[in-house]
Amino acid sequence: TQLLEQSPQFLSIQEGENLTVYCNSSSVFSSLQWYRQEPGEGPVLLVTVVTGGEVKKLKRLTFQFGDARKDSSLHITAAQPGDTGLYLCSSSNTGKLIFGQGTTLQVKP
Amino acid sequence: DAGITQSPRHKVTETGTPVTLRCHQTENHRYMYWYRQDPGHGLRLIHYSYGVKDTDKGEVSDGYSVSRSKTEDFLLTLESATSSQTSVYFCAISEAGGFNTGELFFGEGSRLTVL
Repeated sequence: TQLLEQSPQFLSIQEGENLTVYCNSSSVFSSLQWYRQEPGEGPVLLVTVVTGGEVKKLKRLTFQFGDARKDSSLHITAAQPGDTGLYLCSSSNTGKLIFGQGTTLQVKP
Repeated sequence: DAGITQSPRHKVTETGTPVTLRCHQTENHRYMYWYRQDPGHGLRLIHYSYGVKDTDKGEVSDGYSVSRSKTEDFLLTLESATSSQTSVYFCAISEAGGFNTGELFFGEGSRLTVL
């Protein structure tokens, strides 16, 4: 059974700092998504990566897909309080969609 | 933002009572899903639908049933609520098969407490 492991589980940083969170699996991803979930709301899709080595940017967020398509990272530059939330990765493979347990990010002003 | 409305947003009920959660979409998407989110377990799929009257079980379907009589509505029913069903429930939709694309649009959630 494919599992998605996210690290770290919790991260508390000051405004302006940079950070990276990770999503790893023992299996190859067919595609991988990153979502952000703010307190009291549903997850919102940020990006989908499909090709090994792919890099996508969304303002201050940079998403990278590993060359072997077994890992992904999300890097945030100059974090802001508005980045606070739960970051989830998900992957679909052989007809099943699974979610990691997420990284909870707190950005303090 | 995708037009997804969940109701009720909050509900407190007692063990043994029936509960129905409603998901309504205005996007005309074919696929609809019910997830529950719990600390330490993340998001887990309860049931999903791939068309009107077409539904299937997810990984944690015991104690839950669903119905989809119209494209826009997907109902989740707990026939006899138990304390283990206390959770936040999310409805999601996708235009294509979410299991293939992974691109889901979520509602705002329904927080259910079973006393």
